[in-house]
Amino acid sequence: AQSVTQLDSQVPVFEEAPVELRCNYSSSVSVYLFWYVQYPNQGLQLLLKYLSGSTLVKGINGFEAEFNKSQTSFHLRKPSVHISDTAEYFCAVSRMDSSYKLIFGSGTRLLVRP
Amino acid sequence: ETGVTQTPRHLVMGMTNKKSLKCEQHLGHNAMYWYKQSAKKPLELMFVYNFKEQTENNSVPSRFSPECPNSSHLFLHLHTLQPEDSALYLCASSPREGALNEQFFGPGTRLTVL
Repeated sequence: AQSVTQLDSQVPVFEEAPVELRCNYSSSVSVYLFWYVQYPNQGLQLLLKYLSGSTLVKGINGFEAEFNKSQTSFHLRKPSVHISDTAEYFCAVSRMDSSYKLIFGSGTRLLVRP
Repeated sequence: ETGVTQTPRHLVMGMTNKKSLKCEQHLGHNAMYWYKQSAKKPLELMFVYNFKEQTENNSVPSRFSPECPNSSHLFLHLHTLQPEDSALYLCASSPREGALNEQFFGPGTRLTVL
């Protein structure tokens, strides 16, 4: 079975500062990795995904994430955040087979302050 | 309208009521999903439909009854719910089942059971 751990339930940061949201996973098989963002009163939107190839993945809105297989991590980063980045961020994994199931973490709320 | 829409956006019901949630996607997708999002918990997959056929029931209590009359519409029929069923119910769609198919989410229905 797969599981996803997002240790930080909330990350406060000042505008224009860098941020890292942590994600660790557990799986007995190879997985695909995803980050989703949920803005207030909206559904989830895909930020980026790692399927194969380069371990550094770039997504929308200036976010990027790095897959580290030895540490089973997929941390999300942005060098300079904006007020509009305030949202809930979810890390998710899916088995590298025909399974469609996304296993989500409990989410990290990013709070960007002026 | 475009994307994935859900109605109603908010619903308050008593434990003896019967109500239905509606999801509609305008993306030409063939797979549709129901998720439950409770505070401080990971998203829980409830049901999956692929080409109108139910392919997943994630041990959901029978007081939740899904219906998929066609690939564009998905319903969740509710009856004799419990207060712990209060949550945000998210609908999603993807071109078909499979981890490589990005899921597109609706804004959700906020359900409160009194």
